[in-house]
This record gives sequence, C-alpha cells and structure tokens, in this order.
Amino acid sequence: EDKVVQSPLSLVVHEGDTVTLNCSYEVTNFRSLLWYKQEKKAPTFLFMLTSSGIEKKSGRLSSILDKKELFSILNITATQTGDSAVYLCAVNFGNEKLTFGTGTRLTIIP
Amino acid sequence: NAGVTQTPKFRVLKTGQSMTLLCAQDMNHEYMYWYRQDPGMGLRLIHYSVGEGTTAKGEVPDGYNVSRLKKQNFLLGLESAAPSQTSVYFCASSPHGGNSYNEQFFGPGTRLTVL
Repeated sequence: EDKVVQSPLSLVVHEGDTVTLNCSYEVTNFRSLLWYKQEKKAPTFLFMLTSSGIEKKSGRLSSILDKKELFSILNITATQTGDSAVYLCAVNFGNEKLTFGTGTRLTIIP
Repeated sequence: NAGVTQTPKFRVLKTGQSMTLLCAQDMNHEYMYWYRQDPGMGLRLIHYSVGEGTTAKGEVPDGYNVSRLKKQNFLLGLESAAPSQTSVYFCASSPHGGNSYNEQFFGPGTRLTVL
C-alpha cells in the first residue's frame, strides 16, 4: 500500500530558529514528491521534487529528496511567525492521484 | 483567473438531509479531485475525475457521489448526510495526472457540519 509518513506531528520553535520537517514514503512506483503549506484555508504549493540530491530553494525554504532512502526534508531557516502553518507532504505513485501524509503543524513563537 | 472556487463555504445539515457541493475551475484543467480533511487524518481522496464525463473512486468514497458533466465543474453529492461526514471538503484540479509532474491547485474549502 502506498504510504506517506510525516514527522514530527507538531513542532513549536522560537522565531529565528531553523526547523527541519521530514517526509518518508513506502514506494510501489514513485513519480514525484510535493510539499504544500496550509494556513487557515487551502493548501498552497511549495515544491515538487522528482530527482535525488537536487535542492529546491525559495527564499528561506529549501527541500531535497533522497530516492534511495525514500525520504524528503523541508528546511526553513530564520523562521518567522508567518511560517506558522501545517506543512503537507504528498507523493505521486505513478497514477492520477496524490497520497498525502497527515502533516506537520509548525508553530513559531515570537 | 479565479482559480478553483467552491460553494458553499459553510453548511450545516441535519442527519439524513442531502446536499451538493460545487467546485469550479477556470484553468482548463483535465483532472479534478474531491478530498476531505479531518483532524489528524491529513487529506483523504473521496472521488476524482480524469476528464469530462469520467469519475473514479478514491480512498474514502462511501456515502458520496460525484458528477463531471462539464470540464470546468465537479460536483460532490451527499444523498443522506451522516455525522461522520462532518469535515472540511477541498476540491483540487490539475492540468494532468500521473503521466506528468503537475501539482494540484486547491479551492478554499467547504466546512460541513452534520448534526
């Protein structure tokens, strides 16, 4: 069964800290891994990863994929209160669908 | 471009009532999806469509029906609502599915409470 597991389930840090969020998956036919940020409403797209070892960056956020060890990490440096959100990881297992993890709830304390 | 829109935004139903949630997208996307999101459960796929006139079951289809009569619209129906269907429902669309790498674009969600 295609499965996506995120850790930790929740994380509370102080503003300015660096955080690392984890996403691991059990693969039958991996095609891509996606990260989304969800604040109060709709998830918004952050990154899509298809190849191992190639870092994707957007400002203070970065992500990398390891297809051999079947995981991805999402790093956020110099965190700000606006980074508080649920971060969702999803995997495309080679069909029309995405399988989502349960998410990591990140809280940034001023 | 409005993107993906959902109506209504909120709804309260009594057990046994029926309702239809409407999703519309103006991006000419082929693929559309309905998810439900419950605390601690992440996003779970209810039904999806790979094109006008097609529908398929997702992970949790029981108690729901869908229709895709027009490419831009995807309707989710609850024939006889149950308290277990209390959830936040998200619609999403994508230009393509498994044969390309396009991400899904999400609507703002519908919060449904069944009493």
